[in-house]
Amino acid sequence: QSVLTQPPSASGTPGQRVTISCSGSSSNIGSNYVYWYQQLPGTAPKLLIYRNNQRPSGVPDRFSGSKSGTSASLAISGLRSEDEADYYCAAWDDSLSGRGVFGTGTKVTVL
Amino acid sequence: EVQVLESGGGLVQPGGSLRLSCAVSGFTFSTYAMSWVRQAPGKGLEWVSAISGTGASTFYADSVKGRFTISRDNSKNTLYLQMNSLRAEDTAVYYCANTFGGPDYWGQGTLVTVSS
Repeated sequence: QSVLTQPPSASGTPGQRVTISCSGSSSNIGSNYVYWYQQLPGTAPKLLIYRNNQRPSGVPDRFSGSKSGTSASLAISGLRSEDEADYYCAAWDDSLSGRGVFGTGTKVTVL
Repeated sequence: EVQVLESGGGLVQPGGSLRLSCAVSGFTFSTYAMSWVRQAPGKGLEWVSAISGTGASTFYADSVKGRFTISRDNSKNTLYLQMNSLRAEDTAVYYCANTFGGPDYWGQGTLVTVSS
């Protein structure tokens, strides 16, 4: 069962800004870095944001991450049709001797 | 160029065993903690297990603790997942990745199907 909670869906029209939330606790988001992944159908997850707000090379600056307390957010600005995908947050959790945790996932639809 | 290649998946009966491998090239394998992450058909991502760069520390999800064993051979740049007492709910695509560090790299996954 997922420890990080995300909204099941989000949507927007091309060019709009979409924000996805990720809610956790003091043992995961509250004390560790947050990571964000994009998954297109039938493909492996792709890292979009690491260490809360860092973008790997090749990821457009339309994608940005932030963290505050025990919550984090991924923002997609200038929404494009190719952004239609599933998005997951993730973090290390210091409880139970340590474990990784993923969010419940958010399906982004471009209207 | 970084390459991550999982192998060893397949069809296995409930109660059976399977060993997954993950061959890595293009980065200094021994300096990275590695994880196995799985995704059941139509479901979200689930972290399964992790191991430190030296192999001295291992971590498991409650759902696999006592049944799965993660290990690594840094001389071969290879990560392993020994899966015993497999259940139908272990059916998933299993990914290998150097998660929870800096930029990470994922393989394309290997499918494990547990069915009679």
